[in-house]
Order: sequence, then C-alpha cells, then structure tokens
Amino acid sequence: QQQVKQSPQSLIVQKGGISIINCAYENTAFDYFPWYQQFPGKGPALLIAIRPDVSEKKEGRFTISFNKSAKQFSLHIMDSQPGDSATYFCAAPIRALTFGSGTRLQVQP
Amino acid sequence: EAGVAQSPRYKIIEKRQSVAFWCNPISGHATLYWYQQILGQGPKLLIQFQNNGVVDDSQLPKDRFSAERLKGVDSTLKIQPAKLEDSAVYLCASSLGGAGGYTFGSGTRLTVV
Repeated sequence: QQQVKQSPQSLIVQKGGISIINCAYENTAFDYFPWYQQFPGKGPALLIAIRPDVSEKKEGRFTISFNKSAKQFSLHIMDSQPGDSATYFCAAPIRALTFGSGTRLQVQP
Repeated sequence: EAGVAQSPRYKIIEKRQSVAFWCNPISGHATLYWYQQILGQGPKLLIQFQNNGVVDDSQLPKDRFSAERLKGVDSTLKIQPAKLEDSAVYLCASSLGGAGGYTFGSGTRLTVV
C-alpha cells in the first residue's frame, strides 16, 4: 500500500527555470511533511519541511506548498541550478518516515 | 558535528553467504533507523531503535535479517543467508526523535551475485 505518491519520476529543467515536484498522501493525521535531497553515493539529506497548519514555507530558492483539502504538497525550486541536480523524495511520518518513490531532477546548463 | 558513520561502503557477496553492516549514529541521538534502498526507489524502513529497544521491525524479513543496538549507541545489521534481491544500499539514520529531521549516513552498497 503506497501511502505517499510522488510525481514526476524524472524532470529535466533548464538553468534558471522552476522545478516542481508533487506529492500526494492518504492520511490526514500527519504533523509534518519533509522533503529530502539525495546526491549519488550519498544518503538523503533533509532539505525543507512544513507543518500542516501553514500553507507555504520558503527557504531560499526552495518552497513547499501545502494543500490540505487536496492532500497534496509540492516542492518548488526557483532559479534552478546545475548543482540542484539530484533525486528528491517527499516523505510522511508513517513507520518512522515513509518515502515517496523519488524524482530525479536534471538541471541543464 | 560528526555525521552518521557506516561501514563498509561497498560489499559484494555470493548468494547464501552472510554479511554484516555497522553504523555509528550522531552522538546523543537516541533513535536509530536502518533503511533499505533498492536502485530507483525510495528508502524503505527495516527497523527502528529507541535507545536499546526495538520500536518497529514490522518490515524486517526476520527469517534472514537481524539487527541489534548494543548499549544504545552503535548498531549492526546482518543478513544470513543473502538472496539476489537483497542487492541494495543499506542506509543508517539517526535522530533526536519527534518531528526532527533524520541524518543519514552514506550507506553500504551491497551486491549479491
């Protein structure tokens, strides 16, 4: 049973563009929603997280938008850079953390 | 602060052999996790420890996988006997608990041939 559904599977964006990754969840009782970033050969690292009592959180070029009624949250990367090329995972606090299937982002120079 | 240490970084074994992975979490982190990440997928929780005790091992294939956390610090994950489908990256993470973020190690890449 997939409790966190992430899309798209892969994404190619030009340098300076906006990258958007979406995540849908089933349970309404979660108390926070994190996004993790993973580079090849490394473990995932916490990028940004949001609590369900706010609709948006911004940290630098990274923004999480949360839509509680639609049970969705999304990650926006503004002014995408080649150094942002990585795999991004949304997660929900089920069984410790349950991760989405990942989005491989490639930012072309 | 020092990160989560894992060893070895890579391991190649034949099916039916045994293998063990070691993890040293961030000092002071009471909660330790082992995740399995199959290529192209998100990490999947195998086991969660709170200090010495097991909090959740419902997704651990107990017929072949075992894990322990002695003295509430270091942890080892063992597979015996290994199957081809165990080929994956095994990630260790630790946290202070609650809604805090997890700190992951770089993982051990296991290849079973």
